[in-house]
Amino acid sequence: NAGVTQTPKFRILKIGQSMTLQCTQDMNHNYMYWYRQDPGMGLKLIYYSVGAGITDKGEVPNGYNVSRSTTEDFPLRLELAAPSQTSVYFCASSYDWGSNEQFFGPGTRLTVL
Amino acid sequence: DAKTTQPPSMDCAEGRAANLPCNHSTISGNEYVYWYRQIHSQGPQYIIHGLKNNETNEMASLIITEDRKSSTLILPHATLRDTAVYYCIALVYGGATNKLIFGTGTLLAVQP
Repeated sequence: NAGVTQTPKFRILKIGQSMTLQCTQDMNHNYMYWYRQDPGMGLKLIYYSVGAGITDKGEVPNGYNVSRSTTEDFPLRLELAAPSQTSVYFCASSYDWGSNEQFFGPGTRLTVL
Repeated sequence: DAKTTQPPSMDCAEGRAANLPCNHSTISGNEYVYWYRQIHSQGPQYIIHGLKNNETNEMASLIITEDRKSSTLILPHATLRDTAVYYCIALVYGGATNKLIFGTGTLLAVQP
């Protein structure tokens, strides 16, 4: 199993541009999550999903959108990039109802200039 | 979810046991203690969790005090690859909206 994969690894955006961060897991997990981590800080939850077609906001959802059309994929969309969205983004998944053992991807490092 | 408090940094000699403390004095009866770690520039990695009994797996041991107000993660023979930030999180097991709240953790530096 590849686990949780994320693309791209790095990206530089200009202010106002849009992009989609991709996340795929091959473990048949129902739960998936998006976090951001600013320099020197802990992770903050952006959005999460409890299954295909079901998503909900986390702590810091403003400026982001998500969709979950399949069990495997959970893309994160930035519509109008702002410098405050410069961060490292991690996708994670977990295998059962409410499990707190989450499996994380390697992250996407995003810079908005 | 209960707040946890950890020292910002610790050192450990390679091959020795690393003991990482965590205080969670307001933990409720149904909250588990979870430990994750994050090696530089990588995604966090689950280590272990427990409720009130001591737990051990292939990575570490978790010792929880009888009053559950604090715990210690033990890496029995630390290696240089164990250098990472370690996060202690108190969380109820189960529930559709469980959210891991990562603080700033403890930076463990394993010295050769």
